[in-house]
Amino acid sequence: SAVISQKPSRDICQRGTSLTIQCQVDSQVTMMFWYRQQPGQSLTLIATANQGSEATYESGFVIDKFPISRPNLTFSTLTVSNMSPEDSSIYLCSVERTSGRAEDETQYFGPGTRLLVL
Amino acid sequence: AQSVSQHNHHVILSEAASLELGCNYSYGGTVNLFWYVQYPGQHLQLLLKYFSGDPLVKGIKGFEAEFIKSKFSFNLRKPSVQWSDTAEYFCAVRASNDYKLSFGAGTTVTVRA
Repeated sequence: SAVISQKPSRDICQRGTSLTIQCQVDSQVTMMFWYRQQPGQSLTLIATANQGSEATYESGFVIDKFPISRPNLTFSTLTVSNMSPEDSSIYLCSVERTSGRAEDETQYFGPGTRLLVL
Repeated sequence: AQSVSQHNHHVILSEAASLELGCNYSYGGTVNLFWYVQYPGQHLQLLLKYFSGDPLVKGIKGFEAEFIKSKFSFNLRKPSVQWSDTAEYFCAVRASNDYKLSFGAGTTVTVRA
């Protein structure tokens, strides 16, 4: 497994502003992902954070709205830009190592960042 | 992309009752299957997973799940629940050659003492 921390744990923001969420892992990991969990809904993958290159976004998510950085193998940030109340959600970071053994390749999740946009 | 269906939105049980949560997916290829649990106020944790081999998988805290390929199902079971099993349970699926997980909508389980 992996120990994953996220900052901030929660925030209340005004519409039109931006918030950057940090994800820190206790050891190097190959893959890092960002998910969104809207109220009463399941997790939706936003993007895969690639180390040293641009993130890979899922359908419906764009870099201008959710810029992502991944400067090294233990850290990533997700920015929620120009926020609106519809962005109120829990944002989760997850990680996965590639070990060469398929059965070891499992995603582990951080505690999440609870965002409320007024 | 895969889709994942969890049949029950909210299940209420008494302690010592048996639990079964349904999960079906739509994808014709080889899959990896997961159940995650989120206890109140805690983060998402892996309960169990299936990659290959014995289709009956045992996880933590007495949970097990059975992969039935012909039914595209991966149902979660526990013979006797405890109050501490109160949580939200998520089924997740991915193609075996991909990293992207598709999650079900989740099932909230409430166990009454």
